[in-house]
Amino acid sequence: DTAVSQTPKYLVTQMGNDKSIKCEQNLGHDTMYWYKQDSKKFLKIMFSYNNKELIINETVPNRFSPKSPDKAHLNLHINSLELGDSAVYFCASASQGSSYNSPLHFGNGTRLTVT
Amino acid sequence: GNSVTQMEGPVTLSEEAFLTINCTYTATGYPSLFWYVQYPGEGLQLLLKATKADDKGSNKGFEATYRKETTSFHLEKGSVQVSDSAVYFCAPGDPGRRALTFGSGTRLQVQP
Repeated sequence: DTAVSQTPKYLVTQMGNDKSIKCEQNLGHDTMYWYKQDSKKFLKIMFSYNNKELIINETVPNRFSPKSPDKAHLNLHINSLELGDSAVYFCASASQGSSYNSPLHFGNGTRLTVT
Repeated sequence: GNSVTQMEGPVTLSEEAFLTINCTYTATGYPSLFWYVQYPGEGLQLLLKATKADDKGSNKGFEATYRKETTSFHLEKGSVQVSDSAVYFCAPGDPGRRALTFGSGTRLQVQP
């Protein structure tokens, strides 16, 4: 029944490794997002996809690469992990392609710790 | 792009106290405005929204009114409970980017 689900919930890894976070939504939404939340709770958008098309690509290191195999899935792959990548990553989805009037539905987050 | 300014936390209140969390924003046009709440260890949940000037969003005893003149969307609750302890985020829509811009969040701690 989970609307937006992310896996894994926790991810602990060493510097230099490559890791992926997966996200799936069963709400029928056509837009999906990745947000990063730092230790001070500040939320910053990273990417958004509408119907598998990249819409937003903020100033994010190119070690981060989103992939959307279909409009229900948006995965985030991170290469060569660094200490500063430690954060909570949230996936979200919205409907109608113009979420500025539509609320976002969030997953429960993936807490990434890089050691 | 949009920007949001929220009052810094933590805000510590006793149960049944009155709550106000200030939010002001800059945006192009008149976007929809949202408040989200994040309970410990969870994702963000929509708390309430307003889509045009003078609209009042309300949910679970919380209210916020869309003030176009002052570009503000302050969150209020008349009587807080311990279960309201969470982080609250103000978020205007951003039509140009089809996304929401979040403030830094305000942590609310309610003591019994």
